[in-house]
Amino acid sequence: QKEVEQDPGPLSVPEGAIVSLNCTYSNSAFQYFMWYRQYSRKGPELLMYTYSSGNKEDGRFTAQVDKSSKYISLFIRDSQPSDSATYLCALPGYTGTASKLTFGTGTRLQVTL
Amino acid sequence: KAGVTQTPRYLIKTRGQQVTLSCSPISGHRSVSWYQQTPGQGLQFLFEYFSETQRNKGNFPGRFSGRQFSNSRSEMNVSTLELGDSALYLCASRAAENYGYTFGSGTRLTVV
Repeated sequence: QKEVEQDPGPLSVPEGAIVSLNCTYSNSAFQYFMWYRQYSRKGPELLMYTYSSGNKEDGRFTAQVDKSSKYISLFIRDSQPSDSATYLCALPGYTGTASKLTFGTGTRLQVTL
Repeated sequence: KAGVTQTPRYLIKTRGQQVTLSCSPISGHRSVSWYQQTPGQGLQFLFEYFSETQRNKGNFPGRFSGRQFSNSRSEMNVSTLELGDSALYLCASRAAENYGYTFGSGTRLTVV
């Protein structure tokens, strides 16, 4: 079993739709949660970074964490064609001060006009 | 503020050769990490450097190595290239613990 599971999609939605992207993880040691967006031929770009269970909102984006279920979500409201990208959940793991990110496989999102 | 800069952007090498990739982190960021991204395996952690010391290493063979200089710039080296090393190699830097990572645009390595 992978440490982080993510539905690879692709996911196609019409402009204006609400998008839900999800990841599950198996290791309860993960305490921080990130969402990255990656456009074609670009590096991942940090969208959201959260620690607590509950919701964190930033503009059209809401990150939701449920540590009891080991389930994290990213919601995109009023989706736009410019949101078309691959979305990756990333969980930092720490060993002392050393860290590494464990990524989900990424969900490819297409927002159509 | 300049982002993370990786050079070169594209590289084509022959099996058996070696390659060196370069990364300049955001000014003031002392932690630099490297990741390999492939369609089959996704993003996988290679190693992390902080103040010229390797702090963490992923599950890659010894052909993959790296180093960090006193100005925080980092290089990674892959020796005896194999076809399976074809990938996007991404460098990321961060300011401190519990901060998000900023990625560069990557170096696309093709081994033929």
